[in-house]
Amino acid sequence: KQEVTQIPAALSVPEGENLVLNCSFTDSAIYNLQWFRQDPGKGLTSLLLIQSSQREQTSGRLNASLDKSSGRSTLYIAASQPGDSATYLCAVVHTNAGKSTFGDGTTLTVKP
Amino acid sequence: EAQVTQNPRYLITVTGKKLTVTCSQNMNHEYMSWYRQDPGLGLRQIYYSMNVEVTDKGDVPEGYKVSRKEKRNFPLILESPSPNQTSLYFCASSLFGGRSEQFFGPGTRLTVL
Repeated sequence: KQEVTQIPAALSVPEGENLVLNCSFTDSAIYNLQWFRQDPGKGLTSLLLIQSSQREQTSGRLNASLDKSSGRSTLYIAASQPGDSATYLCAVVHTNAGKSTFGDGTTLTVKP
Repeated sequence: EAQVTQNPRYLITVTGKKLTVTCSQNMNHEYMSWYRQDPGLGLRQIYYSMNVEVTDKGDVPEGYKVSRKEKRNFPLILESPSPNQTSLYFCASSLFGGRSEQFFGPGTRLTVL
């Protein structure tokens, strides 16, 4: 059974700092990995999607990498801002039919 | 506007009273899915559907039913709700199942008394 783990569970940083969020998965046979942002009481907003054949994806200040062989993905956030404060979730899709497993998330607080 | 919509957004009901949460997408996506989110347990997949009339069980399907009669709609049915189904429910869709970005609806907060 696929298991997805996100470390740390919570992270607090001062504004302007670069930071890395981690996501690990137990079964490397995945189709894609997606990073989401969730604000309190809100839905999920897609940040980046990495296909299994890709190594990384970038969008603005965000960069996500994928190492399937080691079962790891990282989300790098450059020059963090208070508006980046949210919970960040990673999800792996591990069948072509779309069976998905989510990590428990990392709650990020960026202090002004 | 491309979106996934869910109704109702909030619902309080009593044990045993059948209910349906609707989900609709206007992006012509083939894949749709239901998740529940609980504190300490994260997001767990309930059911998913690759296309019309094709549905599969996720990790926590017990107590739920789904149907996919039309491409755009994927209702979640609780035939006899119980308090342990109190949760925040999300519907999601993507163009194709395994290879596409998932887009999420705003969520439905369900309380079963």
